[in-house]
Amino acid sequence: GQQLNQSPQSMFIQEGEDVSMNCTSSSIFNTWLWYKQDPGEGPVLLIALYKAGELTSNGRLTAQFGITRKDSFLNISASIPSDVGIYFCAGQTLNGNQFYFGTGTSLTVIP
Amino acid sequence: EAQVTQNPRYLITVTGKKLTVTCSQNMNHEYMSWYRQDPGLGLRQIYYSMNVEVTDKGDVPEGYKVSRKEKRNFPLILESPSPNQTSLYFCASRGLAGVRTGELFFGEGSRLTVL
Repeated sequence: GQQLNQSPQSMFIQEGEDVSMNCTSSSIFNTWLWYKQDPGEGPVLLIALYKAGELTSNGRLTAQFGITRKDSFLNISASIPSDVGIYFCAGQTLNGNQFYFGTGTSLTVIP
Repeated sequence: EAQVTQNPRYLITVTGKKLTVTCSQNMNHEYMSWYRQDPGLGLRQIYYSMNVEVTDKGDVPEGYKVSRKEKRNFPLILESPSPNQTSLYFCASRGLAGVRTGELFFGEGSRLTVL
């Protein structure tokens, strides 16, 4: 299957700091999505990107669909303790049938 | 409330004892899929279904079966579970109509341990 390289693997930051994480792929995707997973729960969609070059915000979160369609990044500004969790990128194949996920970025926010 | 419901949430079983994990969604979504989540590997797709009676293999289908007899249900069947199928399993669904069709909605997960 296709591999999504997500980095960094983990981050420990102070409350109030900004966070940046990214995903790269060897293949082109039709859609990029960013999910957050809290312990014991399923992933929850944060942002969906549908067009190359698209920059989308959702509150303190901003994500971009790379112009090559092989990468995406997620920024979180002014982090707060409830941002703690694991963040996953996901790419949707061109035929729309399959989704591939990154290995996740574990975020810890220190108050 | 729109949701994807999986059962059981936790299960411990023994090698070779057939089991079924159920998944149901109330959003009238055409597309449903199963993933397994393992440490360091992220989520990997097992099977997906584009609609009733239409199913296809994902990246890691070996040892699993699925069926889609009704639009709302998509059970995952392990005919003869083995210890390497110990994992956290997620069911997800999405609609196929409209612009925003890339958004997957996940269940809360089913943690399976095979001894």
